[in-house]
Amino acid sequence: AQSVTQPDIHITVSEGASLELRCNYSYGATPYLFWYVQSPGQGLQLLLKYFSGDTLVQGIKGFEAEFKRSQSSFNLRKPSVHWSDAAEYFCAVGLNTDKLIFGTGTRLQVFP
Amino acid sequence: GAGVSQSPSNKVTEKGKDVELRCDPISGHTALYWYRQSLGQGLEFLIYFQGNSAPDKSGLPSDRFSAERTGGSVSTLTIQRTQQEDSAVYLCASSLGGSDEQYFGPGTRLTVT
Repeated sequence: AQSVTQPDIHITVSEGASLELRCNYSYGATPYLFWYVQSPGQGLQLLLKYFSGDTLVQGIKGFEAEFKRSQSSFNLRKPSVHWSDAAEYFCAVGLNTDKLIFGTGTRLQVFP
Repeated sequence: GAGVSQSPSNKVTEKGKDVELRCDPISGHTALYWYRQSLGQGLEFLIYFQGNSAPDKSGLPSDRFSAERTGGSVSTLTIQRTQQEDSAVYLCASSLGGSDEQYFGPGTRLTVT
């Protein structure tokens, strides 16, 4: 069965530090890949997506993600974290044209 | 333009009662999705509409759950005889279909007492 794994439930970083959030997926083919962010009391906002082509994808708010087929990974990165980045981050796999399968999320805490 | 809207934003109901949750998608979006976010289960897919038909209902957890979409626009998720385990945030999303991005609404927080 298709699945998405986010191994880090909670990550704490200092403001200005670099960030990498891990995501691994299990799927028979290359799926569509997404990262969403959810701030407290807010809906889900798309940060970036990968469908095909260049494996390094740029998103909003200075985020990027790299698709590595050999590792079935799609890790999210940001070179310098801001306090406003504190939120929950979800990796998701899109199966054809319908449902998204989400990981369990990583809660990011940012210390000043 | 307006995003996806959901109503009510919060709903408290007694166990055994029926509830209806509403989703207004972005105008022109043909695809509509319902998800559920709960502490124990994370974000789960419930059902997907393309137009007024639902080609994928595989995520509905029981026959107490049903959904419909009329006029290719508004959708209603109905939960009959609510149980405490139905307590969750119910999220709706819409898209142009295909591989287009899904835009999420703010959700309806359902609490079953």
